[in-house]
Amino acid sequence: GNSVTQMEGPVTLSEEAFLTINCTYTATGYPSLFWYVQYPGEGLQLLLKATKADDKGSNKGFEATYRKETTSFHLEKGSVQVSDSAVYFCALSLYSTLTFGKGTMLLVSP
Amino acid sequence: DAEITQSPRHKITETGRQVTLACHQTWNHNNMFWYRQDLGHGLRLIHYSYGVQDTNKGEVSDGYSVSRSNTEDLPLTLESAASSQTSVYFCASSESPNTGELFFGEGSRLTVL
Repeated sequence: GNSVTQMEGPVTLSEEAFLTINCTYTATGYPSLFWYVQYPGEGLQLLLKATKADDKGSNKGFEATYRKETTSFHLEKGSVQVSDSAVYFCALSLYSTLTFGKGTMLLVSP
Repeated sequence: DAEITQSPRHKITETGRQVTLACHQTWNHNNMFWYRQDLGHGLRLIHYSYGVQDTNKGEVSDGYSVSRSNTEDLPLTLESAASSQTSVYFCASSESPNTGELFFGEGSRLTVL
């Protein structure tokens, strides 16, 4: 079956540090890949997506590249802010089914 | 602006009681979903619907039911609440079932004592 594996958190960083959150997937076909973000007390919001190999999704300074050869979709940001503190979910979509990873909490301190 | 709303946002109930969580969207989306979020499990799909009168079981559907009588609403019913159903429940909708782009409500926190 399909699955998504994310690095366990929490990830604790100081403001302006570089962020990487690892995500790898297993799928029986060629999925679309997503990062969702959940701020405290809120629902999930789509952060970025990529629909085919080598695509780069980007939004709000975050980036992720669809790497078919390593089945990965790592989330990166060059300089995090306190307001980026949230839980980040990697997800894949295949044949109308969306499968989420378990989420990675990011804590950014001033 | 279009939105998706859930109610109640917080509920405490007792084991064995029937509970219904409401979900209402004004996006006019055909596709609606219910997830539960638990620590260590992430989000798990409970039920989903691709249109009026259509309902489907997800990964963790036991003990839950949904009905879809119109486009806007997909209520989730716990027929006989159990402590294992203590969780945060999220409703979501999408324009297409194939895009993976979901719009989420703010969640309903349910505690079963």
